[in-house]
Amino acid sequence: ETGVTQTPRHLVMGMTNKKSLKCEQHLGHNAMYWYKQSAKKPLELMFVYNFKEQTENNSVPSRFSPECPNSSHLFLHLHTLQPEDSALYLCASSPLETGRPTGELFFGEGSRLTVL
Amino acid sequence: AQKITQTQPGMFVQEKEAVTLDCTYDTSDQSYGLFWYKQPSSGEMIFLIYQGSYDEQNATEGRYSLNFQKARKSANLVISASQLGDSAMYFCAMREHWSNYQLIWGAGTKLIIKP
Repeated sequence: ETGVTQTPRHLVMGMTNKKSLKCEQHLGHNAMYWYKQSAKKPLELMFVYNFKEQTENNSVPSRFSPECPNSSHLFLHLHTLQPEDSALYLCASSPLETGRPTGELFFGEGSRLTVL
Repeated sequence: AQKITQTQPGMFVQEKEAVTLDCTYDTSDQSYGLFWYKQPSSGEMIFLIYQGSYDEQNATEGRYSLNFQKARKSANLVISASQLGDSAMYFCAMREHWSNYQLIWGAGTKLIIKP
């Protein structure tokens, strides 16, 4: 079992659907992240949670709504998405060092999202 | 301007040869960290190696080493004795001192190892 598990691995949704991506980590980390990976573009940080508190929101459209009920689980709720939102969504976690995340991220395998 | 530049979109290397993946960076910070990650076709990003800006020696982790040239602002990844399982995308990333969470990522290099 990998340390960070993402479900579903693949998701196809219409522009009017509501769906959620789930991430679970078993590493005891306190920081969790959502990244977006589009073809031929660098990874884009979307959200960061530190001890369940959102600490970063990189100007992400409101059609993406994160939820972190505890330090082991992270969700990304999706509604009224656009075709350009099709991408691989990666969840990651990291330990803290003196209260600050280390740069070493542990990633899940991603959720491949296609918006029709 | 891009802060992390990986100039090689793709590379083919013969198995068992060494390979160098280029990464240059741009920062005005004195304190920063540089990272390399591997992404196989499964999608999972795997941390490989880390170099701190104040580290005097080049980082090494098994077959991976980081050729850190601070004056040239380059942090190339060297993989010795390449294996077929090394075929993947490789990403260079940087964290500047002021940033708690933000890693700045390069566009990646696709490495294919030929048998």
